[in-house]
Amino acid sequence: AQRVTQPEKLLSVFKGAPVELKCNYSYSGSPELFWYVQYSRQRLQLLLRHISRESIKGFTADLNKGETSFHLKKPFAQEEDSAMYYCALAPGGGNKLTFGTGTQLKVEL
Amino acid sequence: GAVVSQHPSRVICKSGTSVKIECRSLDFQATTMFWYRQFPKQSLMLMATSNEGSKATYEQGVEKDKFLINHASLTLSTLTVTSAHPEDSSFYICSARETGNTGELFFGEGSRLTVL
Repeated sequence: AQRVTQPEKLLSVFKGAPVELKCNYSYSGSPELFWYVQYSRQRLQLLLRHISRESIKGFTADLNKGETSFHLKKPFAQEEDSAMYYCALAPGGGNKLTFGTGTQLKVEL
Repeated sequence: GAVVSQHPSRVICKSGTSVKIECRSLDFQATTMFWYRQFPKQSLMLMATSNEGSKATYEQGVEKDKFLINHASLTLSTLTVTSAHPEDSSFYICSARETGNTGELFFGEGSRLTVL
């Protein structure tokens, strides 16, 4: 069975500081990893997926199979980054997503 | 991006009644839709996979007779919470991916059910 762990419920950083939201996973096969974001009063939306290897809104995430991690990083936090972030895993090529418990990012001025 | 719409966004009902929640893909067709449940300050838990024209596939521990899913068309899936009880109060979210597309899953805005 797959499992996604986000150890931090809340992460508070100052504007301009680096951000790292941690995500670890457990899955026996080759997973596909995602980061989803939910801004206040908005629906869940995809931020990025590991196979795309792209940077969205300054965020990047690298899949580390050795450490089974997919941490989300941004070098300089902005106020508009404040949101709930969910890490999610899908079995390779599959549709079913397993979500982590989410991390609330708060960027303070 | 594509839009998935849920209705109603909020519903309050009495214990013992049934409630239907709709999930529509507004500008694309979706053979498969997914229903999630989210408790306060907890993660989204997949309840079932809704398949157009066939029976839904439920996750372990989800009561099929309690949470009836119907996917009658390529743009509509419904979740009916039957004989609702206070413990069914939750946030229900659906998602869909365009048929044949292996790309992004799009999420509805969610429906908050409160059972009195």
